[in-house]
Amino acid sequence: GDKVKQSPSALSLQEGTNSALRCNFSIAATTVQWFLQNPRGSLINLFYLVPGTKENGRLKSAFDSKESYSTLHIRDAQLEDSGTYFCAAGGGSNYKLTFGKGTLLTVTP
Amino acid sequence: NAGVIQTPRHKVTGKGQEATLWCEPISGHSAVFWYRQTIVQGLEFLTYFRNQAPIDDSGMPKERFSAQMPNQSHSTLKIQSTQPQDSAVYLCASSLEGQEYEQYFGPGTRLTVL
Repeated sequence: GDKVKQSPSALSLQEGTNSALRCNFSIAATTVQWFLQNPRGSLINLFYLVPGTKENGRLKSAFDSKESYSTLHIRDAQLEDSGTYFCAAGGGSNYKLTFGKGTLLTVTP
Repeated sequence: NAGVIQTPRHKVTGKGQEATLWCEPISGHSAVFWYRQTIVQGLEFLTYFRNQAPIDDSGMPKERFSAQMPNQSHSTLKIQSTQPQDSAVYLCASSLEGQEYEQYFGPGTRLTVL
């Protein structure tokens, strides 16, 4: 099965609303990165987390390594938040990131 | 401050031809990673260099794929005898030494094999 499971796979939000994305890990993750892949395909770094929480503007993320999950909260969604959000787990000695399948977020007026 | 640079952005090859993809990491970053993104498989790790030395190529297909890092400012991924199933977006990432799990990605090269 998938080592990193993202949910939901797709999400539609009205502008100004809030939502949360989630990643569950079946591997021993010690770090998490969240990315937004924009329509041009570029992966934009949102957060890099060791266990704990971080906040940046309307985005907030948490990572609980003991319970093996991470969340990304989006507050007051804007049109420019649209795209595919990926989480990626890091752990072990080889430094490769293991990605989830992504959440396709569409923000509508 | 330039990010990771990848060239070309798009490449179209005929079946059986060779493709070479280039990556220039962020200046000062000592780790370089290659990933591949397809609709079916998602984002998959291919290979990793630290200080130009190959560290882990466990994700590389055993045949036809090779990667090199001849100097600290660029890495190449070469695919010989390209096949349609090699069509994908190839992404390069770099990171600082000691912070290898915090990776910064380039825009990718979209390879299409006809």
